[in-house]
Amino acid sequence: DQQVKQNSPSLSVQEGRISILNCDYTNSMFDYFLWYKKYPAEGPTFLISISSIKDKNEDGRFTVFLNKSAKHLSLHIVPSQPGDSAVYFCAASEGTYKYIFGTGTRLKVLA
Amino acid sequence: DADVTQTPRNRITKTGKRIMLECSQTKGHDRMYWYRQDPGLGLRLIYYSFDVKDINKGEISDGYSVSRQAQAKFSLSLESAIPNQTALYFCATSDLQRGGYTFGSGTRLTVV
Repeated sequence: DQQVKQNSPSLSVQEGRISILNCDYTNSMFDYFLWYKKYPAEGPTFLISISSIKDKNEDGRFTVFLNKSAKHLSLHIVPSQPGDSAVYFCAASEGTYKYIFGTGTRLKVLA
Repeated sequence: DADVTQTPRNRITKTGKRIMLECSQTKGHDRMYWYRQDPGLGLRLIYYSFDVKDINKGEISDGYSVSRQAQAKFSLSLESAIPNQTALYFCATSDLQRGGYTFGSGTRLTVV
């Protein structure tokens, strides 16, 4: 039973446009959410986080939105750059610092 | 030097063999984790440890064991490797803050 789902395995976006990556979760007790980016042959790297007491967190070109009623979070990248091409994982935890990861979305930014 | 180092980076082993994957960290973090990545399944937690005397099973611990020899070292063993354990394995660390994990670069394991 997948508690964290990323229903789009892949996404292609033109350089300069907005990339929107989505993540749904089923456990209403999750209270902290993260996004990671992964390049080939490297480990995932932390990108941005959001606590359940917020509905938005921004860091430069990256913004994460949380809709608790819908159990949905999204990552917006504006503007998208070719270097953003990677696999993106969302992850959620319930206060134990043990994260459950989604299946990942492969983003390709076209020059 | 990397904050979280995994060895080996790549390994091919035969079915039935015992294999150990090692992880060491210089972050000074108390918490360490082993995940595996499979296509279409994302990252799944195998085992985690919150300090040297603490070992906890994750989602998919069957067929695996771990040892936390010191704060900085956390090793994963496959007692008798089988082909469906072919995957990319990641070690990760975290501290008490909610800042997420620091991952190693991964070990690609192939069981033939």
